Amino acid sequence: SYVLTQPPSVSVAPGQTARITCGGNNIGSKSVHWYQQKPGQAPVLVVYDDSDRPSGIPERFSGSNSGNTATLTISRVEAGDEADYYCQVWDSSSDLSLFGGGTKLTVL
Amino acid sequence: QVQLQESGPGLVKPSQTLSLTCTVSGGSISSGDYYWSWIRQPPGKGLEWIGYIYYSGSTYYNPSLKSRVTISVDTSKNQFSLKLSSVTAADTAVYYCARESATVNWFDPWGQGTLVTVSS
Repeated sequence: SYVLTQPPSVSVAPGQTARITCGGNNIGSKSVHWYQQKPGQAPVLVVYDDSDRPSGIPERFSGSNSGNTATLTISRVEAGDEADYYCQVWDSSSDLSLFGGGTKLTVL
Repeated sequence: QVQLQESGPGLVKPSQTLSLTCTVSGGSISSGDYYWSWIRQPPGKGLEWIGYIYYSGSTYYNPSLKSRVTISVDTSKNQFSLKLSSVTAADTAVYYCARESATVNWFDPWGQGTLVTVSS
């Protein structure tokens, strides 16, 4: 079955750029979506279809997807960006939505 | 804008059936552009998609849960519901309902989530 692999944690200083990866076999052929989840809250969609942003999401959040890796990039990181981030795809071979294991972003 | 709200018991006994309802406000559940989904998250763990329903009543379930899951819809009340049978402690989780794009399967928005504990 299809597996999405994320690093458990990423740390970055305020003002720097955070990159969170999501690995999967030929993931570049799929649409990847990214969610931000703060403690005690529901996930929020921050990037969809690899690189589009829902209304209300800052331009600092961007995405890319090619080959075997999709990446969520957060520019000019702020303390309020500290959260868990999950990637998600629809796997047509098994007909289900899959989430990565999540990455905890720590702002130093 | 569309908002979703889960409701149901927070405690279920082992072997019984978990039942939750999601009420949709600010939009119609009969919109053809979306599915209506359930997703769960065990404490301290990641997200697991349970399944979705279309307003017409057609459903699709995660194969790992398919034998125990039923999702139904009541368009007159703008609600959809989840039933999970024969629960065990492993089913303890925060259960979220969410709107799912019918074209590229992203989830937005989500309900606030409700914790269901399976314990005697």
